[in-house]
Amino acid sequence: EVQLVESGGGLVQPGRSLRLSCAASGFTFDDYAMHWVRQAPGKGLEWVSGISWNGGSIDYADSVKGRFTISRDNAKNSLYLQMNSLRAEDTALYYCAKAPSAQLVRCYFDYWGQGTLVTVSS
Amino acid sequence: SYVLTQPPSVSVAPGKTARITCGGNNIGSKSVHWYQQKPGQAPVLVIYYDSDRPSGIPERFSGSNSGNTATLTISRVEAGDEADYYCQVWDSSSDHPEGVFGGGTKLTVL
Repeated sequence: EVQLVESGGGLVQPGRSLRLSCAASGFTFDDYAMHWVRQAPGKGLEWVSGISWNGGSIDYADSVKGRFTISRDNAKNSLYLQMNSLRAEDTALYYCAKAPSAQLVRCYFDYWGQGTLVTVSS
Repeated sequence: SYVLTQPPSVSVAPGKTARITCGGNNIGSKSVHWYQQKPGQAPVLVIYYDSDRPSGIPERFSGSNSGNTATLTISRVEAGDEADYYCQVWDSSSDHPEGVFGGGTKLTVL
């Protein structure tokens, strides 16, 4: 059974940093691209970032480019999101999502975690 | 960047057919994927590549895509289908590919 478990969320002040983690199990992690998708309270889904199976291809939404860094450790079956210079508008539930292919091509998300909540407030 | 437009809400009586649209410029040339999200839960993929259903998704769920509109159709709607539905594409038209979601449609079963 595919399982994605996010952690690392919490309350953080504007301008500070936070690192999210996603522990994957139930599938061969390094065969698949992985993504972060977020959802602000009461709002819709927003794609944040994606990384190919080996980290060779990475993409970001314009809203986070230059502030967020996605990475993965295939030996640990883990996905990460380093979030710097956080803003109030980054407040959201952050989902880890698995893609059905190795590359960032025609991506969709076939499995999702339950999310970790990030609140940016002073 | 590419924009997907969904109606905020759709209402349907039990046993009837619900159609949720997703509009985008020449969306028929892209692959469209659909997700169902119930309150307090993570999204679930219900349709991928316009019209394919993942295992475990009822045949009542179907999809189509042509021209400037993609459509998710739910036949014989049940109370348990009440949820938010999102369409999604992968936009590779610019120098940096990105995932794009529609704003979501709340399906209400009357």
